[in-house]
Amino acid sequence: KAGVTQTPRYLIKTRGQQVTLSCSPISGHRSVSWYQQTPGQGLQFLFEYFSETQRNKGNFPGRFSGRQFSNSRSEMNVSTLELGDSALYLCASRRSAGANVLTFGAGSRLTVL
Amino acid sequence: QQQVKQSPQSLIVQKGGISIINCAYENTAFDYFPWYQQFPGKGPALLIAIRPDVSEKKEGRFTISFNKSAKQFSLHIMDSQPGDSATYFCAASDGTTSGTYKYIFGTGTRLKVLA
Repeated sequence: KAGVTQTPRYLIKTRGQQVTLSCSPISGHRSVSWYQQTPGQGLQFLFEYFSETQRNKGNFPGRFSGRQFSNSRSEMNVSTLELGDSALYLCASRRSAGANVLTFGAGSRLTVL
Repeated sequence: QQQVKQSPQSLIVQKGGISIINCAYENTAFDYFPWYQQFPGKGPALLIAIRPDVSEKKEGRFTISFNKSAKQFSLHIMDSQPGDSATYFCAASDGTTSGTYKYIFGTGTRLKVLA
């Protein structure tokens, strides 16, 4: 059974650019969450989608957005990149919005120059 | 009130020793407390989890101790091995009350076990 797949694994952007990250959840999982991981800050919750609808949203500016498709795959977009957006972006899926166990992907490492 | 405070930030333990990581929370609505383990280049993976109706849960060398009155929980790694060297995150979720099962993570503890 394939795990959570995130692409790309690594990317470098410059300030002001935008980036789109992709996440394919485990087959049968309908909930996808996104987290930003930085040293010292741990895992900061960005948003969660279930059945193409955003269910929860963290405290991030509007430059961070996401969406979920009918096949449960999800994308997140960051516009007008800032140096502080450099981080590991993790996607996690779970079977339903009420399931406890999160399964994480390996993440997309974003570096903003 | 939504924070989960984790300590220490880093920990060095000799092989065979006991590693202890602590977490504290404020929100009494939290009803699920997992620990995640993350190796370099990998995403976090569920290690062990506990609900507040029990005070301890053990899985192999890993034990969660839970103190509901103090609103604290801890991870104990017995007979620590170099392969346990990783970053550990505690978390809390309040699914039963809110229905959203939103996770709040601690800031992580980087554990290094010396051979």
